[in-house]
Amino acid sequence: EAGVAQSPRYKIIEKRQSVAFWCNPISGHATLYWYQQILGQGPKLLIQFQNNGVVDDSQLPKDRFSAERLKGVDSTLKIQPAKLEDSAVYLCASRILDRADTGELFFGEGSRLTVL
Amino acid sequence: AQSVTQPDIHITVSEGASLELRCNYSYGATPYLFWYVQSPGQGLQLLLKYFSGDTLVQGIKGFEAEFKRSQSSFNLRKPSVHWSDAAEYFCAVSENTDKLIFGTGTRLQVFP
Repeated sequence: EAGVAQSPRYKIIEKRQSVAFWCNPISGHATLYWYQQILGQGPKLLIQFQNNGVVDDSQLPKDRFSAERLKGVDSTLKIQPAKLEDSAVYLCASRILDRADTGELFFGEGSRLTVL
Repeated sequence: AQSVTQPDIHITVSEGASLELRCNYSYGATPYLFWYVQSPGQGLQLLLKYFSGDTLVQGIKGFEAEFKRSQSSFNLRKPSVHWSDAAEYFCAVSENTDKLIFGTGTRLQVFP
């Protein structure tokens, strides 16, 4: 079974530029999460989708961050304009959320963003 | 509000030695508790979880953790560490297994 796919793995941009990250969750997983992991910190939830609807985006800086999951499958996280403090690893995770659900989140390898 | 504290930022052990990584949580009711491991350049992998029942839970790779309600702790243990266990370990808490709140992590270094 294929895992959670993310791209790009690495991205370097200058402040005020824009960037987009893509995530393809495990097939059949209804719930998708975007986490931000700043160096030396634990992952912090940015947004949670169930199918194509937003469940929680309370910690998403909406003035610059946006995310969508239009068809309830893959998702895109965008930052525009980027700030220096956005330098982090952006982790995507998915969860099956049906009778087979064990509560486990499956994580991708992450997209590392450096803002200069 | 829920929170997780991992007091040890960095731990170094010799290969073959025992290991205990500390985790304390703050939550009013009985939380759902998790330990994840992150190897360099990799995503997070679930080691084990506690939802209810037996307070000593077994996980993958020979890890176990014990839930102690009186101490609000969920410490991770392994009797004999292997060099491949070097990684960052995250404790996480959840109200309903839905949204995880992670601690700041403990980096484990293993010396031969």
